[in-house]
Amino acid sequence: DTGVSQDPRHKITKRGQNVTFRCDPISEHNRLYWYRQTLGQGPEFLTYFQNEAQLEKSRLLSDRFSAERPKGSFSTLEIQRTEQGDSAMYLCASSLWSSRGMNTEAFFGQGTRLTVV
Amino acid sequence: RKEVEQDPGPFNVPEGATVAFNCTYSNSASQSFFWYRQDCRKEPKLLMSVYSSGNEDGRFTAQLNRASQYISLLIRDSKLSDSATYLCVVNMAGLGMRFGAGTRLTVKP
Repeated sequence: DTGVSQDPRHKITKRGQNVTFRCDPISEHNRLYWYRQTLGQGPEFLTYFQNEAQLEKSRLLSDRFSAERPKGSFSTLEIQRTEQGDSAMYLCASSLWSSRGMNTEAFFGQGTRLTVV
Repeated sequence: RKEVEQDPGPFNVPEGATVAFNCTYSNSASQSFFWYRQDCRKEPKLLMSVYSSGNEDGRFTAQLNRASQYISLLIRDSKLSDSATYLCVVNMAGLGMRFGAGTRLTVKP
């Protein structure tokens, strides 16, 4: 499968625990995005990378959230001290950005559904 | 003001109807634009890119008005299978891709 893959697909955790999600983008894509989505809402931007550089992080994002893309390939999203309000679908997407400043469409993984109890 | 705003919906239309969705964006330096479709409990998938000259793909027509910072999607002869949430997506210069909240469409027999 050459699409975007995310792991795990589902995660149930107790409040206060740390969780980490992984995303493997399409191999030739240099941009990788993380979004959070709750029922009835569109995907909310969290952060994105170009290769290994984290270019932007949402101002709304708590310090409990951190993301890495150490080798410019896969990425991890960690949430520390989870709260019930963190329960959501976490979506990863990747795209190819060219030096001419054009961005191809983003392809999404199937998401990781987090439930904090 | 939200970076990307869409019609709140929901839209409930009969089969065969024509329906139009609108979207506005705040960043005038935005570079690329897309419409995505999202089915219930599934990931978003690209429906079509939006080009300055407007573009058509079968029953779907997308328009872009840079001066008004406005994007539209027109669906003609709607089918039951068109029922989904339609997301407006804007790639902002120097920033990541931003999504609208989505507009839910239900096509009824």
